Amino acid sequence: DVKVTQSSRYLVKRTGEKVFLECVQDMDHENMFWYRQDPGLGLRLIYFSYDVKMKEKGDIPEGYSVSREKKERFSLILESASTNQTSMYLCASSIVRQGALEQYFGPGTRLTVT
Amino acid sequence: GDSVTQMEGPVTLSEEAFLTINCTYTATGYPSLFWYVQYPGEGLQLLLKATKADDKGSNKGFEATYRKETTSFHLEKGSVQVSDSAVYFCALSRPYGSSNTGKLIFGQGTTLQVKP
Repeated sequence: DVKVTQSSRYLVKRTGEKVFLECVQDMDHENMFWYRQDPGLGLRLIYFSYDVKMKEKGDIPEGYSVSREKKERFSLILESASTNQTSMYLCASSIVRQGALEQYFGPGTRLTVT
Repeated sequence: GDSVTQMEGPVTLSEEAFLTINCTYTATGYPSLFWYVQYPGEGLQLLLKATKADDKGSNKGFEATYRKETTSFHLEKGSVQVSDSAVYFCALSRPYGSSNTGKLIFGQGTTLQVKP
């Protein structure tokens, strides 16, 4: 079974703090993704990575950065947390199966910025 | 650009009722289509998928048919159970090898509540 783990299930941080969210996958997948999930908006892509040290902006990258130093680990960084970044953050990795890319998700980190 | 539209929820059904959650998409070419499910407190799990027109994806009693002519991928189940209570997301992705490969475009999600 594919396993995607995230470092924390719940996190509370103060405005202005630097926040690190860690994601690890154990299936040697090349592609990894960070989304945020908000009620009524579904999932929105923040950043994704096709390979080590490779990253591309998604739909809402402002206020975030990422790091991928090892294939299995993809980190999301909030440089200076703000209250509008309070959200559920989901990490995913993907594999090609039957011509389509299937994504596998971690359990999510619910971040509250006060 | 590509987009996915789902019916608004919540959908509330009694156990053993028939379920339909509507999903339509806008995309050029032939995207792959997916249904993901999110149980309370968990991440998303792939429920089923279809990669070309007229394909039917099925899993755990759920099914959906890729309809190119109506750009739809409606989720159905003949008899829902309390354990099916969750949020369901419809999504599309570009075929592997094309631009934006691997990116999933999600609908806003539909909450299903099944009562005993």
